[in-house]
Amino acid sequence: SAVISQKPSRDICQRGTSLTIQCQVDSQVTMMFWYRQQPGQSLTLIATANQGSEATYESGFVIDKFPISRPNLTFSTLTVSNMSPEDSSIYLCSVGDGEKLFFGSGTQLSVL
Amino acid sequence: KNQVEQSPQSLIILEGKNCTLQCNYTVSPFSNLRWYKQDTGRGPVSLTIMTFSENTKSNGRYTATLDADTKQSSLHITASQLSDSASYICVVAGTYKYIFGTGTRLKVLA
Repeated sequence: SAVISQKPSRDICQRGTSLTIQCQVDSQVTMMFWYRQQPGQSLTLIATANQGSEATYESGFVIDKFPISRPNLTFSTLTVSNMSPEDSSIYLCSVGDGEKLFFGSGTQLSVL
Repeated sequence: KNQVEQSPQSLIILEGKNCTLQCNYTVSPFSNLRWYKQDTGRGPVSLTIMTFSENTKSNGRYTATLDADTKQSSLHITASQLSDSASYICVVAGTYKYIFGTGTRLKVLA
């Protein structure tokens, strides 16, 4: 199994600012994903973080709003840019190897 | 359209009782089906994973079933405990995609 450390666990931010969430895995993984979970909703895939190339974004999510870095096979960051109250959600990092899918503990973001 | 639907949306049971959660899916092609438990404010934790050929899989007091013909799965919780209070999410893996259900919120009362 993979152990995922996600930071910060929660934050309260002001409208218009940006927050960068970090995801560190204890082993090299091919697939890293970023999900958003809005209150009372299921998980929605934001993008797949690709090592050495640009992330692959899902419909409705754009790089300018959610820039992602993946400098190596154990680390990724997601930035939520120019935040608004609608960005208040739990953001989850996830890694998979085809069969298994593991999640970080999530970042609970509140935007005022 | 690839979809995963779960029922009931929420459920309240007394400690010690059994319960069954349902998951219907229309994901194609199908790779595997997983059940996750998500405590409030935490990331989901895997309970079971089943491939096309598996009908039943257990993990302690959790037993998942899969009927690939009818595209239905269930998660049965035996002798519920207060710590079972959480959201239970059904996830179906297709080709390079994971489709998430909206979850069932379970509350176990003493």
